[in-house]
Amino acid sequence: DIVMTQSPATLSVSPGERATLSCRASQSISGYLAWYQQKLGQAPRLLIYDTSNRATGIPARFSGSGSGTDFTLTISSLEPEDFAVYYCQQRSHWPPSFGQGTKLEIK
Amino acid sequence: QVQLVESGGGLVKPGGSLRLACEVSGFTFSDYYMSWIRQAPGKGLEWVSYISPGSESTYYADSVKGRFTISRDNAKKSLFLQMNSLRVEDMAAYYCATMTTTYYFEHWGQGTLVTVSS
Repeated sequence: DIVMTQSPATLSVSPGERATLSCRASQSISGYLAWYQQKLGQAPRLLIYDTSNRATGIPARFSGSGSGTDFTLTISSLEPEDFAVYYCQQRSHWPPSFGQGTKLEIK
Repeated sequence: QVQLVESGGGLVKPGGSLRLACEVSGFTFSDYYMSWIRQAPGKGLEWVSYISPGSESTYYADSVKGRFTISRDNAKKSLFLQMNSLRVEDMAAYYCATMTTTYYFEHWGQGTLVTVSS
C-alpha cells in the first residue's frame, strides 16, 4: 500500500500570512492527489483534486502543486476560517490512502 | 443541497455487530459510487469500502474484508454498512461519502460514532 506522509504535523501561522503544507508518497503517484480540510467536529471537505484542481466553491487562495512523490498545498493569505486539519489522499494505487494530517493553527 | 446523514452508531462489545445507514438527498443517488471512510479518535482517515451505483462492484480494505458488508438501496437513497465481528480497532467515526469515478471523496456526511468496548 502507498504510505502518505504529511509534514509538519502542526504548522503555526498568523492570519494573512502564507501557509505551505507538504505531502510525500512512498512511491510515485503521478498527479493523482487530493487535499481535504477538516474543521473540529466536522466532516472533511474536498479542496483540491488531481494535484492542482480546486473543487467547486473553493477559494482561489488555495492552490496545489507537485508531481511524482512530493506535493504541496499552499494557502496564500490565511483567513480565520482556514485554521483546521488538512489531509492529503492518493488515488493512484489501490487502495486509496490518506496522510495523517497537518494541523494548521493560529500563531 | 447535497446532504448525507449517517445513523446506527453506538456502543457494542468486541465480537458484536452493528449496521450503519446513510440517507442522502440533493443528488441522484443511483448515479454515484459511494464509500465508507472511518476516523479513529484523534487519528487520520482510513478508506473502508465502496460500492458501485448498481451494486455490481464492492471493494473493502484488508482490515475489514470478510467482516464488513456494504450495500445500498437506490429506491430509498440509502447506503449501508453491516459490521460483524467488531474489534476494538474498529472504533471510529464512520463517514459515508460520494466517490468520484477517479476515487476522490466529494461530499461527506457528518459521521456516526462506533464504540467497541467491553
